[in-house]
Amino acid sequence: QVQLVESGGGVVQPGRSLRLSCATSGFTFSSYAMHWVRQAPGKGLEWVAVISYDATNEYYADSVKGRFTISRDNSKNTLYLQMNSLRAEDTAVYSCARPPDRYSYGYYFEHWGQGTLVTVSS
Amino acid sequence: QSALTQPASVSGSPGQSITISCTGTSSDVGGFNYVSWYQQLPGKAPELMIYDVIYRPSGVSYRFSGSKFGNTASLTISGLQAKDEADYFCSSYTTSSTWVFGGGTKLTVL
Repeated sequence: QVQLVESGGGVVQPGRSLRLSCATSGFTFSSYAMHWVRQAPGKGLEWVAVISYDATNEYYADSVKGRFTISRDNSKNTLYLQMNSLRAEDTAVYSCARPPDRYSYGYYFEHWGQGTLVTVSS
Repeated sequence: QSALTQPASVSGSPGQSITISCTGTSSDVGGFNYVSWYQQLPGKAPELMIYDVIYRPSGVSYRFSGSKFGNTASLTISGLQAKDEADYFCSSYTTSSTWVFGGGTKLTVL
């Protein structure tokens, strides 16, 4: 079955960087676009970024554009999120999510990971 | 990229029906039939309940249904059960090639 397992979260000071990973299994990773979604403590969901199946295209939420970079390694079945210039408001659980269909960004999120907590604090 | 608007909370008694609204704009909810709904139990990952406004994934109870009129989508849960108590989030694709979520609605089964 589809499994998405995030890692790399932790406590980081404002202005510093962190890289998250999402290890996947149970499907052909290289055929699917992948998303990052975050949820601040006690708050709603916020879409962060998407990358195409072949890494040729990326889209970002305005709140992270220019600071975060989504990437993937299809040989390792792994998705990444490089987060730079972190701010307190970036504190959240970050989850990777997969759309339903191959080769498409998808219009909804069929599979989700459990998430990894990022806390930005001095 | 403003969040979609959902009521913070709704409640109902077992057996009743409730409806959760999700209001956006013509750039998201009103512009596409790409509204989805997610159920999130405490400490768990979100689970897809409705996609493309009205469709239920395999395994989701028929008690869950979706609809849309103009810029507002709705999730209706009929025959409310205690296990339906959870947070519910709507989401829509947007004209900016991004995705937007609602702020979430806490459903309490009385």
